[in-house]
Amino acid sequence: DAMVIQNPRYQVTQFGKPVTLSCSQTLNHNVMYWYQQKSSQAPKLLFHYYDKDFNNEADTPDNFQSRRPNTSFCFLDIRSPGLGDAAMYLCATSRDRYSGSLETQYFGPGTRLLVL
Amino acid sequence: AQSVSQHNHHVILSEAASLELGCNYSYGGTVNLFWYVQYPGQHLQLLLKYFSGDPLVKGIKGFEAEFIKSKFSFNLRKPSVQWSDTAEYFCAVTASSSASKIIFGSGTRLSIRP
Repeated sequence: DAMVIQNPRYQVTQFGKPVTLSCSQTLNHNVMYWYQQKSSQAPKLLFHYYDKDFNNEADTPDNFQSRRPNTSFCFLDIRSPGLGDAAMYLCATSRDRYSGSLETQYFGPGTRLLVL
Repeated sequence: AQSVSQHNHHVILSEAASLELGCNYSYGGTVNLFWYVQYPGQHLQLLLKYFSGDPLVKGIKGFEAEFIKSKFSFNLRKPSVQWSDTAEYFCAVTASSSASKIIFGSGTRLSIRP
């Protein structure tokens, strides 16, 4: 089935040690998003790619970067994870934007990051 | 700036009870409205959405929501809940002018007593 896949499901890293989370999609959607979701909170958008066009949210820390080498894959890089970065990281896709129903976002299962 | 309010943090119901979860948003322009559900240990799934047309929207698993523009509300309803409806429910909104930025409410945890 077409879907949004995130690997790994659980990631443990050390304080300050760079970590990369990955997302892939078989939906052939133009837009890919990364969200951070902390316990009992709403998902918070970090950034999104519209095709190759990167769109950063104003309040996303510089510690968070992203790469999208092709349509199917998108990576979240955390350069120096702090204890406060422990969270669930969600990847989502949508076919398009500015386009009504085409904006509907489809979420992956998430990667839970633990920082020791 | 847009915002979404879900006033109930945790709702506890017995099976077969009727459900209504509140959602209010603040934005003066055209919006698209969503309800997402997150079952324990699972990913966010779309429950239903409103873009235009009939303000009463029917979704999966017997859920429905009504968009009341004058009240800036998009409440989720189900006439008779089941134990399997235990989950976290998120209301969300996008504004046509905001480049697909989806704003989520803080979520309502629904617990169903068997």
